[in-house]
Amino acid sequence: DTEVTQTPKHLVMGMTNKKSLKCEQHMGHRAMYWYKQKAKKPPELMFVYSYEKLSINESVPSRFSPECPNSSLLNLHLHALQPEDSALYLCASSQDHVVAGDLGELFFGEGSRLTVL
Amino acid sequence: GEDVEQSLFLSVREGDSSVINCTYTDSSSTYLYWYKQEPGAGLQLLTYIFSNMDMKQDQRLTVLLNKKDKHLSLRIADTQTGDSAIYFCAESNSNSGNTPLVFGKGTRLSVIA
Repeated sequence: DTEVTQTPKHLVMGMTNKKSLKCEQHMGHRAMYWYKQKAKKPPELMFVYSYEKLSINESVPSRFSPECPNSSLLNLHLHALQPEDSALYLCASSQDHVVAGDLGELFFGEGSRLTVL
Repeated sequence: GEDVEQSLFLSVREGDSSVINCTYTDSSSTYLYWYKQEPGAGLQLLTYIFSNMDMKQDQRLTVLLNKKDKHLSLRIADTQTGDSAIYFCAESNSNSGNTPLVFGKGTRLSVIA
């Protein structure tokens, strides 16, 4: 299984709603990432979890709250979002290539397309 | 900080070769990657090259690295309509698996039948 699965694929929410994006991988990867991608732009890093601990937070507003319940799951909790937060949210995972000399490539999910009204 | 630059658009005829170029600024880059993104989809790793290599070939794909000029290129031979997508160059500069990638802005490849 070399997939990163994201749900939902599409989400429309109002500015007062609370919703969550979910990401799952069963490749034994110990690093998981959230990226935000606006139309015609490259992905921008939001958060990195390493061994289930938050290791990087790229100054993301607190209305985005990540959670890593276990090594296979990564959530992004959304609350009081703004219309400008509408984007494709990509989850990715990678192996720790210190362990095996692996490439450490990122495997991306298909993304969750979020629209904030 | 690190920066990765790419041209934004490339248009080629079906059957021709495509060459997508990328420059980067971080001289300590360890790995350089090419990702492909089709409309509405996530990013798919196409190929990669270690910084101590200067060329890598994988079927229709050839990656050339000029480390002195910090220039990376992706050549797609016999380009097909299915190759139409956005191609992102990315780099990382650590041996740690949780180092995030720095992406270029992406090159939109259009293949004309």
